[in-house]
Amino acid sequence: AQSVTQLDSQVPVFEEAPVELRCNYSSSVSVYLFWYVQYPNQGLQLLLKYLSGSTLVKGINGFEAEFNKSQTSFHLRKPSVHISDTAEYFCAVSDRIQGAQKLVFGQGTRLTINP
Amino acid sequence: EAGVAQSPRYKIIEKRQSVAFWCNPISGHATLYWYQQILGQGPKLLIQFQNNGVVDDSQLPKDRFSAERLKGVDSTLKIQPAKLEDSAVYLCASSLRALVVAGEPNEQFFGPGTRLTVL
Repeated sequence: AQSVTQLDSQVPVFEEAPVELRCNYSSSVSVYLFWYVQYPNQGLQLLLKYLSGSTLVKGINGFEAEFNKSQTSFHLRKPSVHISDTAEYFCAVSDRIQGAQKLVFGQGTRLTINP
Repeated sequence: EAGVAQSPRYKIIEKRQSVAFWCNPISGHATLYWYQQILGQGPKLLIQFQNNGVVDDSQLPKDRFSAERLKGVDSTLKIQPAKLEDSAVYLCASSLRALVVAGEPNEQFFGPGTRLTVL
């Protein structure tokens, strides 16, 4: 069975500082990896996804993530954050097999940007 | 393009009462998902429909939860009777297809959710 661990439940940073949100996964098969963002009182929005190919994936709003197979990690980064990045971020994994797709989410990391 | 619609946005009930949530997916999306998101946790899949058939309901507490997707479009999720531990945000999502085809998973689009408080 797959599982996702987000190592930090809360991350406070100052505006314009860099940030890294950590995600580790476990799976017995190859996987697809995703990062979603959830703004207050809204649904989840896809930030970026890793399917195959280059291990560095760029997403919306200046975010990027790096897939590291040997460390089973998919950490999310942004070089300079803005107040509007305040939100909850979820890492998710899905099997790379044909058939029904099932997303398994981590517990989330609350990113708080301080002025 | 309209997104996934859900109603109501908020609901407060007492334990042992019944409650129903409604979801309207993006037009043309064959697959619909219901997730439960308890405070401080990530979303957990409750049930997945492909058109009006159930693909996966392995994590749905069937003694109290039920869901249907008549005509393969709108869906309702019902809890009867509710327990305190059912307090959560219930998210609906939709995607074009359920299946991973040719190495490309389908993006799931999420609605704003219904926040349920059981007192």
